[in-house]
Amino acid sequence: GIQVEQSPPDLILQEGANSTLRCNFSDSVNNLQWFHQNPWGQLINLFYIPSGTKQNGRLSATTVATERYSLLYISSSQTTDSGVYFCAVDPGKLIFGQGTTLQVKP
Amino acid sequence: DAGITQSPRHKVTETGTPVTLRCHQTENHRYMYWYRQDPGHGLRLIHYSYGVKDTDKGEVSDGYSVSRSKTEDFLLTLESATSSQTSVYFCAISLGENNEQFFGPGTRLTVL
Repeated sequence: GIQVEQSPPDLILQEGANSTLRCNFSDSVNNLQWFHQNPWGQLINLFYIPSGTKQNGRLSATTVATERYSLLYISSSQTTDSGVYFCAVDPGKLIFGQGTTLQVKP
Repeated sequence: DAGITQSPRHKVTETGTPVTLRCHQTENHRYMYWYRQDPGHGLRLIHYSYGVKDTDKGEVSDGYSVSRSKTEDFLLTLESATSSQTSVYFCAISLGENNEQFFGPGTRLTVL
């Protein structure tokens, strides 16, 4: 089956820093989503992005489907950005990566 | 907010007992899903539904059954709970054919 790899697995930032999270996938997909799981366990949709670039405030995402990767950019990070970031790809059903755990320190 | 609720939010039960988790949605979405989340495994699909009385298995369906008698409710049943089914269970809906999914708040189940 399709493999989804996220990097880095863990990331610690100082508040105000920028970061890039990466999601690689091993086969063609119909769509790709990014989620944020906050420290209370809630899964929040960030982007539905099968291709191209989208921006939402301090967050943006780019998917290059032909090269099988997606990037999530977080600019001017805040402590509320802490949590786990998942990408999930859809070759028919959603397959999740293992996540990147982000800690933003004040 | 996709109008998804899950009940109960927390449950502790004993090995061998039956358990039913409920997912309720208010917006008439056709597709509903049950996932489990475990450390080291991320989220994995248990079962999904593409309409009333239409369900199918996901990646980790052994030991679980589902039912959907109404559009708004998708039930997940553990017929005889085991300790390996201790997990956080998430329900999700998708808005349409593009399969963009939105998740409920989760149910933390502990099987002793």
